[in-house]
Amino acid sequence: DSGVTQTPKHLITATGQRVTLRCSPRSGDLSVYWYQQSLDQGLQFLIQYYNGEERAKGNILERFSAQQFPDLHSELNLSSLELGDSALYFCASSAGEGLHEQYFGPGTRLTVT
Amino acid sequence: AQSVAQPEDQVNVAEGNPLTVKCTYSVSGNPYLFWYVQYPNRGLQFLLKYITGDNLVKGSYGFEAEFNKSQTSFHLKKPSALVSDSALYFCAVRDDGAGSYQLTFGKGTKLSVIP
Repeated sequence: DSGVTQTPKHLITATGQRVTLRCSPRSGDLSVYWYQQSLDQGLQFLIQYYNGEERAKGNILERFSAQQFPDLHSELNLSSLELGDSALYFCASSAGEGLHEQYFGPGTRLTVT
Repeated sequence: AQSVAQPEDQVNVAEGNPLTVKCTYSVSGNPYLFWYVQYPNRGLQFLLKYITGDNLVKGSYGFEAEFNKSQTSFHLKKPSALVSDSALYFCAVRDDGAGSYQLTFGKGTKLSVIP
């Protein structure tokens, strides 16, 4: 158990809908990262927050947004969902940035029908 | 731009034999290198990292990795494979000259240890 929690575990929704994925980092970790894992694209970095501020942006679509709250939990919002958004979404956390290893949550499996 | 390549989609090895999972990287500055393992239906687990110092890095579960700057490689090794090592292995890199804290992951290598 990494100490990172993600809810929900599974999510099934229809095209055009909007969903929110939630992540609680390990106790004391200030950085939160979001990744998308799919068979064809592999593990893609989406976005990073550090102590409430956005720090790095990867291949995140404009339909997707995230935030980190004062209690350090984070939410990833996915809107106008398409079939191609079906994937595993992972949250990871680290104590700081750069040199620190990231600890991954169990993931949220999103299925868009 | 930083990138990492795992040239083998799959590696098969007999139980008890040594294993190697290959990783090469490309950065403009100095590399920070990581190995992670993913078991079915689970998140990634950190195995080891290279930041600076000794080129041979020891990690969890008996794994180690050798940093080779001239060959821009960071291969994962284990002297004696276990069936329980069967999983998906990811190499990741961060370029300290990139001005970003983003990690770039390889496509992953599926390791199968045959009893």
